[in-house]
Amino acid sequence: EVQLVQSGAEVKKPGESLRISCKGSGYSFTSYWVSWVRQMPGKGLEWMGTIDPADSYTSYSPSFQGHVTISADKSISTAYLQWSSLKASDTAMYYCARHVVPTEDYWGQGTLVTVSS
Amino acid sequence: QSVLTQPPSVSAAPGQKVTISCSGSSSNIGTSSVSWYQQLPGTAPKLLIFENNKRPSGIPDRFSGSKSGTSATLGITGLQTGDEADYYCGTWDSSLSAVVFGGGTKLTVL
Repeated sequence: EVQLVQSGAEVKKPGESLRISCKGSGYSFTSYWVSWVRQMPGKGLEWMGTIDPADSYTSYSPSFQGHVTISADKSISTAYLQWSSLKASDTAMYYCARHVVPTEDYWGQGTLVTVSS
Repeated sequence: QSVLTQPPSVSAAPGQKVTISCSGSSSNIGTSSVSWYQQLPGTAPKLLIFENNKRPSGIPDRFSGSKSGTSATLGITGLQTGDEADYYCGTWDSSLSAVVFGGGTKLTVL
């Protein structure tokens, strides 16, 4: 069974750094790209970018380029989404998903990130 | 403002049929296949339709998809109260080099 299991909810202050994770299982992790999708409170889905875990090649949406970093460690079948300096506007639910262009076929359960002073 | 345009809401009675439209352009729906996702309240999105009209294993045939030109449509027949959810279309946009989603459509089963 394909599963993507994400790390737990986070509460951070503005300016702090954060890395959340997404562990894949039940399939060959290096055979499928992994995407990250943001959902702000009460809003729709926004695709942030994707990574090829085989070689860590990344592609970002223009809206998120330079604001976040996507990485992966294929040795532990885990992808990451990272911020160096959080803002209140980063408060959202973040989903990882297995990416088969142009489809996200399996999704993680989501990680809620709250940024508040 | 989403790249793909969906109606904010649709509604129908149990047992009836509903369609949800998704409008795009030549740089996205016009040149790439469309996927549809269902997001039940408080849960992660789930893939309903891929490659315009294919259903993943486990998705009932009450759900169907079609595409024509720069628009796509999700159809749901035999509506059930358990179908109440937000529905999103998605595809690849070659101008943005990114996946794009519609703004989402809230389905109410009256």
